[in-house]
Amino acid sequence: GPKVLQIPSHQIIDMGQMVTLNCDPVSNHLYFYWYKQILGQQMEFLVNFYNGKVMEKSKLFKDQFSVERPDGSYFTLKIQPTALEDSAVYFCASSLAGPQDTQYFGPGTRLLVL
Amino acid sequence: GDSVTQTEGQVALSEEDFLTIHCNYSASGYPTLFWYVQYPGEGPQLLFRASRDKEKGSSRGFEATYDKGTTSFHLRKASVQESDSAVYYCALSGTGANTGKLTFGHGTILRVHP
Repeated sequence: GPKVLQIPSHQIIDMGQMVTLNCDPVSNHLYFYWYKQILGQQMEFLVNFYNGKVMEKSKLFKDQFSVERPDGSYFTLKIQPTALEDSAVYFCASSLAGPQDTQYFGPGTRLLVL
Repeated sequence: GDSVTQTEGQVALSEEDFLTIHCNYSASGYPTLFWYVQYPGEGPQLLFRASRDKEKGSSRGFEATYDKGTTSFHLRKASVQESDSAVYYCALSGTGANTGKLTFGHGTILRVHP
């Protein structure tokens, strides 16, 4: 099936530094999403993005978070500065035809903030 | 807000056993309901979805029926195989803002022994 790639698979970073998580969505998809999963907890929605804009974000999407997708490149989640509670697995997803369409997920980036 | 409850955190079965994973939801209107499966090192992948009361979703021998009356979408399989070992997530997409936000349950770890 369609594949979403995420780079890197693992990232260890010191608290206060900036980190950028990269997502290579399915090539013709138009809607992009980030989810966060803390170890042992459920996956939670962070944000979704369409046509260059954030459509909806949750309360987990703090001011230190930002997303963008410059033309033809990765869909990125940037955290600046990082905090200890940002340690989690971050999943990217994309969908083709709109919010009710099937979302395809990447394998996740495991972020550890020390 | 919307929520999804999976009763079983872990299920251990032998091959050819019958599987039931319970999923109940809370949301207004008629949300779309999903079952996702996640294998080690991968992101969640869609098993199937259902959008209307009494609609049955199915894939690879797994099935679930949308029940608006009991707000349930229980996953069943008549005869499990060792290869079915994975984490199973029930999820919903609400009808409110219609931005594609998925709300996940905590997940159920299924282990099938030969």
